[in-house]
Amino acid sequence: AQTVTQSQPEMSVQEAETVTLSCTYDTSENNYYLFWYKQPPSRQMILVIRQEAYKQQNATENRFSVNFQKAAKSFSLKISDSQLGDTAMYFCAFMEGSGGSNYKLTFGKGTLLTVNP
Amino acid sequence: KAGVTQTPRYLIKTRGQQVTLSCSPISGHRSVSWYQQTPGQGLQFLFEYFSETQRNKGNFPGRFSGRQFSNSRSEMNVSTLELGDSALYLCASSLAGFLGEQYFGPGTRLTVT
Repeated sequence: AQTVTQSQPEMSVQEAETVTLSCTYDTSENNYYLFWYKQPPSRQMILVIRQEAYKQQNATENRFSVNFQKAAKSFSLKISDSQLGDTAMYFCAFMEGSGGSNYKLTFGKGTLLTVNP
Repeated sequence: KAGVTQTPRYLIKTRGQQVTLSCSPISGHRSVSWYQQTPGQGLQFLFEYFSETQRNKGNFPGRFSGRQFSNSRSEMNVSTLELGDSALYLCASSLAGFLGEQYFGPGTRLTVT
């Protein structure tokens, strides 16, 4: 069975600093997808970034970037120049499958990130 | 463009009853996914509907079911409610399912007493 582990239940960072959230996963598949989702307090969950396992280049989305280490099964999220609005619960998610109708999607337990002024 | 809406936002039910939750996706989105979020189990995927057909399914008992209408609106039904079904139920819509960007609704908070 797939497992996704986020080893840091809570983290804090000062505004404008950089923080890295860790995520590891377990799979025997070669093709899969990884996601980071952000759930701000009392607001909708949004997709932060997505990585396809077959792509060696790390995904980047403005201040958000990932460090994807396929051999180590690691998928960490780096937030640069942290802003108060980055305060949220962050979920790492793993998906494997193919053909549009055989996907298995698993989430980690989440990391609560607090950005302090 | 209007976002994903979920109704009702809050619901209190008694053990043994059944409940139906509704999700209206963003206009033009044909994929609707449902998730259960609890403090203990975290976020878990329930199922995904695309063009009125269930396309993907998580590991939930048959008490959890859903459907999608021709206008892409989706309903989720839970029968014979248990205390452990108390959760925040989220739905998300997208153009292309999981591989596309999913837009989440605010959720329905279900409390089973």
